Amino acid sequence: AQSVAQPEDQVNVAEGNPLTVKCTYSVSGNPYLFWYVQYPNRGLQFLLKYITGDNLVKGSYGFEAEFNKSQTSFHLKKPSALVSDSALYFCAVSDNNFNKFYFGSGTKLNVKP
Amino acid sequence: EPEVTQTPSHQVTQMGQEVILRCVPISNHLYFYWYRQILGQKVEFLVSFYNNEISEKSEIFDDQFSVERPDGSNFTLKIRSTKLEDSAMYFCASSLAGRGSGANVLTFGAGSRLTVL
Repeated sequence: AQSVAQPEDQVNVAEGNPLTVKCTYSVSGNPYLFWYVQYPNRGLQFLLKYITGDNLVKGSYGFEAEFNKSQTSFHLKKPSALVSDSALYFCAVSDNNFNKFYFGSGTKLNVKP
Repeated sequence: EPEVTQTPSHQVTQMGQEVILRCVPISNHLYFYWYRQILGQKVEFLVSFYNNEISEKSEIFDDQFSVERPDGSNFTLKIRSTKLEDSAMYFCASSLAGRGSGANVLTFGAGSRLTVL
């Protein structure tokens, strides 16, 4: 069965500092991994995905994530955080047919000026 | 930019009443989904729909739930007899078919908040 875990409920970082939001996964078969962001009163917005190929994936708004097979991780990173990055971030994994996506519990990112 | 639209944005209903949540997916998308998010909890998969039939459903999606695409544009979720624990934010999503670069990206609507009293 597919699942993801986000070990941190909340991450606090100062504006301009690098940020990392952690995600580990458990899959049977190939891992298809995603990051989504949710702003208040909005739906989830796609940030980036790993399907195959390069382990470092670049996405929207300057975010990137590194697929690490040995550590079964897919941490989201950004070199320099902005206050506007403050939101709820969800890691997700899909089944092999992309019929079903499993989301983590979400991590609230707070970027302080 | 194309978007998924959902109505109503908020519905309050009495326990036992039927509720229909409506979604208009992106026009060229072929896969449709319903997810829900109970306040403060994770986003949970309910059902996926392709080619006018359910392709996958979760344990949550019991006989009280149904989906249909009656007119080729709307995608609805019906809860026949609502329970208190159905109170949640319900998200509709859609995606392209296939495995191309954009095919497996879900585009979500803003959600419909259901409150069951």
